[in-house]
Amino acid sequence: GAVVSQHPSRVICKSGTSVKIECRSLDFQATTMFWYRQFPKQSLMLMATSNEGSKATYEQGVEKDKFLINHASLTLSTLTVTSAHPEDSSFYICSAGTPLGYTFGSGTRLTVV
Amino acid sequence: DAKTTQPTSMDCAEGRAANLPCNHSTISGNEYVYWYRQIHSQGPQYIIHGLKNNETNEMASLIITEDRKSSTLILPHATLRDTAVYYCIVSGMDSNYQLIWGAGTKLIIKP
Repeated sequence: GAVVSQHPSRVICKSGTSVKIECRSLDFQATTMFWYRQFPKQSLMLMATSNEGSKATYEQGVEKDKFLINHASLTLSTLTVTSAHPEDSSFYICSAGTPLGYTFGSGTRLTVV
Repeated sequence: DAKTTQPTSMDCAEGRAANLPCNHSTISGNEYVYWYRQIHSQGPQYIIHGLKNNETNEMASLIITEDRKSSTLILPHATLRDTAVYYCIVSGMDSNYQLIWGAGTKLIIKP
């Protein structure tokens, strides 16, 4: 079935540094990829929708200059958390649509210290 | 806001059938009912989806009421590994539709 590979699975970074998260669709082409953030004991919250070859669409309240999304190919979308701060610590998940529904990456646990 | 309503939590004994209800009274004619689950610290996993007919696959069965205002996910023989948060979502079939996530049901399978 359709698989989305997300890396890294967990990362610890220092405050003020940037972190890049990659999501690859392994056996299908994803023209659209969704990026979510999930805080402990909460549901998934959509951050942005990335579209191959065009600018991402960000949800209200999500800073586009802080969460940089690049979707340069049909199989790769990246989320870069710039100048990370402890409040950015969260679980980040990507997702892509397939003919049978949506498939999700395994998530990235980001801890900013 | 999520278009679905689910109980916050449920318990089920191992080996028994787990029946998870979902209300989606405002579902529109072209929207499907999707079920996903999320095991702690993992990405959500697709379980099943349906439009108006009941569906069954190797993981679960989905029973949708005739008026489509509610549905039930059935895990026929629950195991400890089925402990997870289960999300019921209504969405169009277009893979570019956004999924709107409610709080889901925390299902705990007890030995």
